Amino acid sequence: NAGVTQTPKFQVLKTGQSMTLQCAQDMNHEYMSWYRQDPGMGLRLIHYSVGAGITDQGEVPNGYNVSRSTTEDFPLRLLSAAPSQTSVYFCASTRQGFVNEQFFGPGTRLTVL
Amino acid sequence: AQKVTQAQTEISVVEKEDVTLDCVYETRDTTYYLFWYKQPPSGELVFLIRRNSFDEQNEISGRYSWNFQKSTSSFNFTITASQVVDSAVYFCALSEAREIQGAQKLVFGQGTRLTINP
Repeated sequence: NAGVTQTPKFQVLKTGQSMTLQCAQDMNHEYMSWYRQDPGMGLRLIHYSVGAGITDQGEVPNGYNVSRSTTEDFPLRLLSAAPSQTSVYFCASTRQGFVNEQFFGPGTRLTVL
Repeated sequence: AQKVTQAQTEISVVEKEDVTLDCVYETRDTTYYLFWYKQPPSGELVFLIRRNSFDEQNEISGRYSWNFQKSTSSFNFTITASQVVDSAVYFCALSEAREIQGAQKLVFGQGTRLTINP
């Protein structure tokens, strides 16, 4: 099992550019989510999905879109990047049922100039 | 609203010392889960423990131990005989147990950067 994988590991964007952060898991987990990590603020939930075709907003959803067409993949789209979106992004997954341990990907470090 | 506070931003100790990382949480739920994650310098997040609100027994795993006290809304983490490899950022997190359409949303504390000096 590769677990949770994220690509790219690093990305530099200019303000206004768009891009997609990829996240995939091979554990057949129904629940997937995206967090951003900023200094002094811990991790904050951006969007989450409880299964294919179902997504919802977390704490800080503005400027981000998600979709979930398959169980395995949960991409995060930045429509028009802003410097405030400079952060480290983590994807996580877990099985449904009880509240479970979440498995995190290695992260994507994004810089918006 | 749920909230997790890790008041210790940074802690620095000498190897072999014991160190306790504090975590205080707020929630209106009677059923909830608490977590600790470790983030070493390499950046990944490593799961350490999950505890539900009905289980107040302290837990020990090797040099790691956790003290859960509902009366003070705290879930503190102690490392005994610390080692340089324990140097990392440690996060405490909270999740409600009510599954609203299956959501398992984690609310994280700000993290505590622990440095163990040789």
